[in-house]
Amino acid sequence: DTEVTQTPKHLVMGMTNKKSLKCEQHMGHRAMYWYKQKAKKPPELMFVYSYEKLSINESVPSRFSPECPNSSLLNLHLHALQPEDSALYLCASSRGGPNTEAFFGQGTRLTVV
Amino acid sequence: TQLLEQSPQFLSIQEGENLTVYCNSSSVFSSLQWYRQEPGEGPVLLVTVVTGGEVKKLKRLTFQFGDARKDSSLHITAAQPGDTGLYLCAGDQYGNKLVFGAGTILRVKS
Repeated sequence: DTEVTQTPKHLVMGMTNKKSLKCEQHMGHRAMYWYKQKAKKPPELMFVYSYEKLSINESVPSRFSPECPNSSLLNLHLHALQPEDSALYLCASSRGGPNTEAFFGQGTRLTVV
Repeated sequence: TQLLEQSPQFLSIQEGENLTVYCNSSSVFSSLQWYRQEPGEGPVLLVTVVTGGEVKKLKRLTFQFGDARKDSSLHITAAQPGDTGLYLCAGDQYGNKLVFGAGTILRVKS
């Protein structure tokens, strides 16, 4: 099983809403990632979890709050987002360590209205 | 400044033509990965190159890692419409920090 599953696939939310994005992998990977991607641009790293601990936060605004409940799950909690936060949010996982190869989910298309 | 510089940013070619995409950096990477992404989908890993000077082939795709492990190239022979997509190179900077180049949008016309 080389699959990373993200839910939901699409999400429309208002600027006062609270929502969560979910990600799951069963490959035994110890590193999990959140990326944000705008149209025709490369993915931008947001957060990295290594062994269930937050290891990298790329100066992401606090309206995005990651959570890693266990080694298979990764959440991204959203609150008070702005329209410019609309993007494709990608989750990925890897074994970790050198020469890391990341496997990506299909992403959640988020629209903030 | 992008850590990984990719060129060209956009490429539109006819079916059957060959093309090369470049990924360059001033930094040394322990490995580089190439991904392909279709609209609305996540990137899909194509290959990882690890050893300086390494060449890997995946059907009509040939990947090369520079001797100094600072650059890589992707060559596609006889491109087909199904090759259309966003091609991304990526490298692990340190501590699982996987960063991407700006990407190359490839369009192959039939």
